[in-house]
Amino acid sequence: KNQVEQSPQSLIILEGKNCTLQCNYTVSPFSNLRWYKQDTGRGPVSLTIMTFSENTKSNGRYTATLDADTKQSSLHITASQLSDSASYICVVSRRYGGSQGNLIFGKGTKLSVKP
Amino acid sequence: GAVVSQHPSWVICKSGTSVKIECRSLDFQATTMFWYRQFPKQSLMLMATSNEGSKATYEQGVEKDKFLINHASLTLSTLTVTSAHPEDSSFYICSAREGQPLYNEQFFGPGTRLTVL
Repeated sequence: KNQVEQSPQSLIILEGKNCTLQCNYTVSPFSNLRWYKQDTGRGPVSLTIMTFSENTKSNGRYTATLDADTKQSSLHITASQLSDSASYICVVSRRYGGSQGNLIFGKGTKLSVKP
Repeated sequence: GAVVSQHPSWVICKSGTSVKIECRSLDFQATTMFWYRQFPKQSLMLMATSNEGSKATYEQGVEKDKFLINHASLTLSTLTVTSAHPEDSSFYICSAREGQPLYNEQFFGPGTRLTVL
């Protein structure tokens, strides 16, 4: 069954601290993995996207890693800011041949950054 | 970057009425648009996929007669929730894709919060 599991479900950290979010998946055939940030009441915004051959990708203070062998990914946030408070969603795309979305969504990790 | 808008951003309606939600791609032509529903603390669930000029393809368990989707142009898709009931209250998000991109990149709208009283 194609699934994306994220941990932890929620996380509270102090402003300025670093944190790492985890994503495990069982999606096949794998095409790419992306991390989204979703603010409360808003649509998801793409942070990073990685294909099978990419191990790491950065976007400012966000760094994503991918281990395609173990089917694990992480999102590391450095020097957290209050504006980082949001849900972070791991999404895995299946390789497809049609027009369907074929995106498998995780439930997200809700991050709260406190002053 | 590609921008997708939704209107309205929130709507409150009485049970039994119909509600229309618009999804627009502002700076690109969206050959394919997707409609998702998200319940609190849950992940996005794909409801249907629509290609411009053709009938939408609905996911299993989604009633096509209740959730009417129209994708009449390359920049506009609409979702109409017919005879809405309180259980239809949810966050509806659309996304749009241009052509057949290499990474299946979809750009998401800001969402529409529907509350049915």
